[in-house]
Amino acid sequence: DAGITQSPRHKVTETGTPVTLRCHQTENHRYMYWYRQDPGHGLRLIHYSYGVKDTDKGEVSDGYSVSRSKTEDFLLTLESATSSQTSVYFCAIFSGGENTEAFFGQGTRLTVV
Amino acid sequence: SQKIEQNSEALNIQEGKTATLTCNYTNYSPAYLQWYRQDPGRGPVFLLLIRENEKEKRKERLKVTFDTTLKQSLFHITASQPADSATYLCALLSGGSYIPTFGRGTSLIVHP
Repeated sequence: DAGITQSPRHKVTETGTPVTLRCHQTENHRYMYWYRQDPGHGLRLIHYSYGVKDTDKGEVSDGYSVSRSKTEDFLLTLESATSSQTSVYFCAIFSGGENTEAFFGQGTRLTVV
Repeated sequence: SQKIEQNSEALNIQEGKTATLTCNYTNYSPAYLQWYRQDPGRGPVFLLLIRENEKEKRKERLKVTFDTTLKQSLFHITASQPADSATYLCALLSGGSYIPTFGRGTSLIVHP
């Protein structure tokens, strides 16, 4: 299994509070992603990173920010959580080369009450 | 806008039969198409990749076809087993892109 871990695995938070999700990889891959997965919508890209301090927005970036100060860590922050951000969040890393596949973390189930 | 369509209805089949899942896309010219498997409560797991210049790819009981004229990929699981029950996602990548765009997935249920 690719070395990618997410923390926390589960979180319940109140509306208006800040929340940070962490993704850690041991594979030294350049590309890292945050997706959210919701029934009826599938996996949607929030933000991605193509190197240390290099990030860009995805399809559903409003209300989210990211930071990548080290190759191995990619943080997703909800500045002020809203109920619409209740979702399952997946971090992924991307290996280029011959197979060009994405490896996903176990997911973080976030509930905003 | 770019669109990836997978059948939202679950596919129910009998063990031993071949399961065929469909991925259609519009307004997209992917260089690569991938298939992933996702089990409940877990992240997707990569299965196969097929390139735009490849018509077919096989891996054990899995077969993927890619028709860039029809803008369609078919994913086949032969001799299906209950353990194959999962949601299967297709993902597209443009040439030079490292950002997979995913379909919503199709649930496969294999009955013993």
